[in-house]
Amino acid sequence: DVKVTQSSRYLVKRTGEKVFLECVQDMDHENMFWYRQDPGLGLRLIYFSYDVKMKEKGDIPEGYSVSREKKERFSLILESASTNQTSMYLCASSSATGQETYGYTFGSGTRLTVV
Amino acid sequence: AQTVTQSQPEMSVQEAETVTLSCTYDTSESNYYLFWYKQPPSRQMILVIRQEAYKQQNATENRFSVNFQKAAKSFSLKISDSQLGDTAMYFCAFMKYGGSYIPTFGRGTSLIVHP
Repeated sequence: DVKVTQSSRYLVKRTGEKVFLECVQDMDHENMFWYRQDPGLGLRLIYFSYDVKMKEKGDIPEGYSVSREKKERFSLILESASTNQTSMYLCASSSATGQETYGYTFGSGTRLTVV
Repeated sequence: AQTVTQSQPEMSVQEAETVTLSCTYDTSESNYYLFWYKQPPSRQMILVIRQEAYKQQNATENRFSVNFQKAAKSFSLKISDSQLGDTAMYFCAFMKYGGSYIPTFGRGTSLIVHP
């Protein structure tokens, strides 16, 4: 069964800490994505990557950075966590073969609380 | 830019009954994909159903079916014989054919199935 695995289900961090959220997929997908999910706001794209060492800003990149050193791993970094980054973070991957797409495979999510 | 609107933030239905979740979108594209995703309380988001805009036939997956009205830019999800396990957030998503392979999500509809 194909999987996108996020390393933590729940995290509690202090304001100002550097936070790493890890995501690994075993499907050999080219594309990987980080979203945050907040009630009433749906899913908002933070960053995405089409290939190793490539990254593109999404709709809300401020306060975040990403790293993709290997195809299967896409990390989200909060350089200095703030309380307004308390949220659910979802990782997703997809394979785009030519013009075809079958949508995303999501991870289980990481609930981050910044205190 | 595309927009996706889910006009029903919350819905409820009795077990075994049928419920329809609405989704409308705005685009100038002629070829695209539409998706419904389900996010149960356990949080992992899964793909429910996928529709390709150039196909006239409405997609069906077991108890889940869509009513795709391309001219009206409407993509509703019908759940027949609702089960308690259908309780979840449901997200409608639009993805342009080719291009960036990044979907635009609606804000979601929370569905509760009552016994």
